[in-house]
Amino acid sequence: QVQLQESGPGLVKPSETLSLTCTVSGGSISSYYWTWIRQPPGKGLEWIGYISYTGSTNYNPSLKSRVTISLETSKNQFSLMLSSVTAADTAVYYCARDYGDDSRFDPWGQGALVTVSS
Amino acid sequence: DIQMTQSPSSVSASVGDRVSITCRASQSINRYLNWYQQKPGKAPKLLIYTASSLQSGVPSRFSGSGSGTDFTLTISSLQPEDFATYYCQQSYITPQTFGQGTKVEIK
Repeated sequence: QVQLQESGPGLVKPSETLSLTCTVSGGSISSYYWTWIRQPPGKGLEWIGYISYTGSTNYNPSLKSRVTISLETSKNQFSLMLSSVTAADTAVYYCARDYGDDSRFDPWGQGALVTVSS
Repeated sequence: DIQMTQSPSSVSASVGDRVSITCRASQSINRYLNWYQQKPGKAPKLLIYTASSLQSGVPSRFSGSGSGTDFTLTISSLQPEDFATYYCQQSYITPQTFGQGTKVEIK
């Protein structure tokens, strides 16, 4: 079965760039869409954006100016970069598979807590 | 953005109770509505997709209904492992948005 695992620094300084990678195992990244979602501590879920297996992207307009999602097919990975971070970007970041047109998120990675602090 | 509003925000119930959670969209989303369960410290888990389709491996006590703007998640007989927070999510249009969550607590 497909499994996803986030990795990256747990602490990022304000104004710097948050960078996370999601490694997909048990299946190929060369199909489906691949999504990032975040959840501030004690709060709800926010969709960040997705990248399709063709490399096309779609971002949440609230974050669009700061977000880049990329695909590394040879490593079966996809990545998130979020620039100019502030304390408001502190959250658990999840990667997930998205079924595309019949969109739903399954499975999810376990999540990675990223704290923005100096 | 489409706003998703869940009610109630929390519910206290006992094992064996029937529990229903409502999700309302700020505009019609056809049947593009998914439900997730999240336990503390864990990632959300897909329960129901396109309003009423049960995800593989999810117990049949979970069911979903609705279309347009009003949707319901029902747990027919609450089990100890069902105490969690439940989120609805619309996939009709991007940005995909979630409800604020409904916490199901032990009475």
